[in-house]
Amino acid sequence: GAVVSQHPSWVICKSGTSVKIECRSLDFQATTMFWYRQFPKQSLMLMATSNEGSKATYEQGVEKDKFLINHASLTLSTLTVTSAHPEDSSFYICSVPGQGRAGVIYNEQFFGPGTRLTVL
Amino acid sequence: KQEVTQIPAALSVPEGENLVLNCSFTDSAIYNLQWFRQDPGKGLTSLLLIQSSQREQTSGRLNASLDKSSGRSTLYIAASQPGDSATYLCAVKANGAGKSTFGDGTTLTVKP
Repeated sequence: GAVVSQHPSWVICKSGTSVKIECRSLDFQATTMFWYRQFPKQSLMLMATSNEGSKATYEQGVEKDKFLINHASLTLSTLTVTSAHPEDSSFYICSVPGQGRAGVIYNEQFFGPGTRLTVL
Repeated sequence: KQEVTQIPAALSVPEGENLVLNCSFTDSAIYNLQWFRQDPGKGLTSLLLIQSSQREQTSGRLNASLDKSSGRSTLYIAASQPGDSATYLCAVKANGAGKSTFGDGTTLTVKP
């Protein structure tokens, strides 16, 4: 199955700074990647769908100007939390769905290990 | 809009017990359903995937069933062990490349 990595695994930043999180599909070409957020003791909530070569699709209630997504290649999507505030502290997880341009169709959703963001 | 519910929210059992976790979803037009395990502060580990045309999948002590028409899935864990303690999430997918909708999870504690 696909292997998905995220970097960094954790980050602590001051309020007002911007943080970039990378999601890489290591062995699978992904035209689409998903970004989820998980608050403590809660489930995963989809934030946006990252589309290679086009704009991301954001879920209702997610500020696209605050959470900038760039899907520059078939193996890399980045999420930038701009002007982060303490309420943005969360666990951010990306995933790669079951289809890609490689012509091999997987049925599973493959998740990265997550990035723990703490904003002071 | 798809909604996924997991019951119970938390479960505590003594080691060795068999147990069942429940997942229900409102829209039966799903592509597949996937069960995950999440340890505290960690990412997701895929346990079992059931395609919409399947009724169950088994892996070791785990067995997942799917009744699409009634919008239900169960995860059966046999002979539970303390190492099974984790949060179990189910997620349904609307199509092959689509997003997954997650339930809130069931936090399982298996006591030695």
